[in-house]
Amino acid sequence: GDSVTQMEGPVTLSEEAFLTINCTYTATGYPSLFWYVQYPGEGLQLLLKATKADDKGSNKGFEATYRKETTSFHLEKGSVQVSDSAVYFCALYEDSNYQLIWGAGTKLIIKP
Amino acid sequence: GAVVSQHPSRVICKSGTSVKIECRSLDFQATTMFWYRQFPKQSLMLMATSNEGSKATYEQGVEKDKFLINHASLTLSTLTVTSAHPEDSSFYICSARWGRGGYTFGSGTRLTVV
Repeated sequence: GDSVTQMEGPVTLSEEAFLTINCTYTATGYPSLFWYVQYPGEGLQLLLKATKADDKGSNKGFEATYRKETTSFHLEKGSVQVSDSAVYFCALYEDSNYQLIWGAGTKLIIKP
Repeated sequence: GAVVSQHPSRVICKSGTSVKIECRSLDFQATTMFWYRQFPKQSLMLMATSNEGSKATYEQGVEKDKFLINHASLTLSTLTVTSAHPEDSSFYICSARWGRGGYTFGSGTRLTVV
């Protein structure tokens, strides 16, 4: 079945460091891919998405490119801030399966 | 560990009827559950946050009388869509908080109202 694999956390970085959170997936069809973020005490928020191969999603300085050849959707940011500390989830949605498949989440800790 | 079982995965109901969606935490106690709604290829929308033993907190614009949430035990939260209409057709998903700030998700329920 479909699955999403994220790098394990927590990931601890210093402010202004470069961030990469890896996400790879397996899917039978052509899924849409999402990155969600959950700040402490809050609900999930969509960070960015891509609906087809080679699409790049971007928001708040974060980027991820839908790579069909490597089945990946890695999240990147050039310079992280303390306020980026949160849990990040990679997710896959296939209309044919009517299911949202989640990665396990990666906790990001940014130190000043 | 930290598994949430959500049922049913897919349901079709007639307009005017009610549908109940269950989320159970199988191996942990979920003091807080989040309920989300998602339209195809769009983002999740938080509907409400429920805490065990207390009333749910609904997001602005979500009808409390239409989307009834019950979190009567530490392992079960339910969402009942009352008097469903075609515009309620959507993908509903629950999420439970566990441990020290971890979150886990149900696999979702596809509701189609005809």
